[in-house]
Amino acid sequence: DVKVTQSSRYLVKRTGEKVFLECVQDMDHENMFWYRQDPGLGLRLIYFSYDVKMKEKGDIPEGYSVSREKKERFSLILESTSTNQTSMYLCASSTRQGLYHQPQHFGDGTRLSIL
Amino acid sequence: AQSVTQLDSHVSVSEGTPVLLRCNYSSSYSPSLFWYVQHPNKGLQLLLKYTSAATLVKGINGFEAEFKKSETSFHLTKPSAHMSDAAEYFCVVSEGDYGQNFVFGPGTRLSVLP
Repeated sequence: DVKVTQSSRYLVKRTGEKVFLECVQDMDHENMFWYRQDPGLGLRLIYFSYDVKMKEKGDIPEGYSVSREKKERFSLILESTSTNQTSMYLCASSTRQGLYHQPQHFGDGTRLSIL
Repeated sequence: AQSVTQLDSHVSVSEGTPVLLRCNYSSSYSPSLFWYVQHPNKGLQLLLKYTSAATLVKGINGFEAEFKKSETSFHLTKPSAHMSDAAEYFCVVSEGDYGQNFVFGPGTRLSVLP
């Protein structure tokens, strides 16, 4: 089974702090993703990466950056947190192998609260 | 652009009765479709996937879905609901050269009554 591990389940930070959310997958997947999930807004893509050191903006990249130095690890960075970044953050990975589009596999999420 | 509609935001069933969660999609070509389940404070778990093979797809935990191209539907069913099925369910269509872009439906919350 694919395992996507997010470093923290719950985090509480103060506005203006720098926050790193880490995600590791163990299936040698090419693609990795960061989403945030908010009530009434659903899942929104922040960034994705299709290879090491490669990144693409998603629908809501403002206020976020990412880093992918190794294939198995994808980090989401909040440079200076604000209260509107309080959310559930979900990491996912998928492979590009095979004839058809492959499913994304999700971690358990990090619930981040910014005070 | 592709889109996904989940026709019910909330479905309530009694334990032991059938479950039907409806999903319609729009796509300009043959889509790949998925159903995911999310339990409270957890990530999304893959239930099943359709990728141009058999139109009736069986998934985990007794769920299955039928792809109907003429109706652009991919409804999720289960013959007998269990209390542990209470969760949020998402229908997803993928797009992009490698299917890397997931378009999520808004979700359907399933309640199972004793």
